[in-house]
Amino acid sequence: QSALTQPASVSGSPGQSVTISCTGTFSDIGAYNFVSWYQQHPGKAPKLMIYDVSNRPSGVSTRFSGSKSGNTASLTISGLQAEDEADYYCSSYRTDDSAVFGGGTKLTVL
Amino acid sequence: QVQLVESGGGVVQPGRSLRLSCAASGFGFSTYGMHWVRQTPGKGLEWVAVIWHDGTTTYYADSVKGRFTISRDNPKNTLYLQMDSLRVEDTAVYFCASEVKGRWYYFDYWGQGTLVTVSS
Repeated sequence: QSALTQPASVSGSPGQSVTISCTGTFSDIGAYNFVSWYQQHPGKAPKLMIYDVSNRPSGVSTRFSGSKSGNTASLTISGLQAEDEADYYCSSYRTDDSAVFGGGTKLTVL
Repeated sequence: QVQLVESGGGVVQPGRSLRLSCAASGFGFSTYGMHWVRQTPGKGLEWVAVIWHDGTTTYYADSVKGRFTISRDNPKNTLYLQMDSLRVEDTAVYFCASEVKGRWYYFDYWGQGTLVTVSS
């Protein structure tokens, strides 16, 4: 059960937009629209930011958006703010009735 | 408010067993599927196991299948993870997390985690 592939790090200046990619296979991201994204600040538990590829739970800023094309999902954060600096993880349902995470991406706000 | 509090972590030798607990409050525990997710210090997240709200169905990651057992006691609002035949590579912070209601493959409420160290 290999992890989904994410870039190790991305960065952007306040006010800019950044996109984090998450690449899987036809057995996970490519099979269903069951992709989610999590934000984790140091020493804290992860927080659900996006589910069903592009839906935001109540209370999550509209600056966070998600999309998918083929076997790759993406998280875009617009209007970067200092508090967005964190680790971000994608996750997907797999056809073998398991769940898989990406390796995580560290977002740095310059 | 929603609270998930893990306990039972510690230092254990390879090959030994450990049982983790997760005490839930502030939401309808018996109506939610529950997960264990682990995170190696300084590394990423790894899904471990899930149990449906009524305990009838469980799924496991290949890395723990046959060694770990997830269970729950709904009257006690408590989730468990029995970890047998522990390996050094099982060293991690273990989080319990709830599903998004009716969607077991998403992780909604999270605990703060308990550290398990497997070392001789």
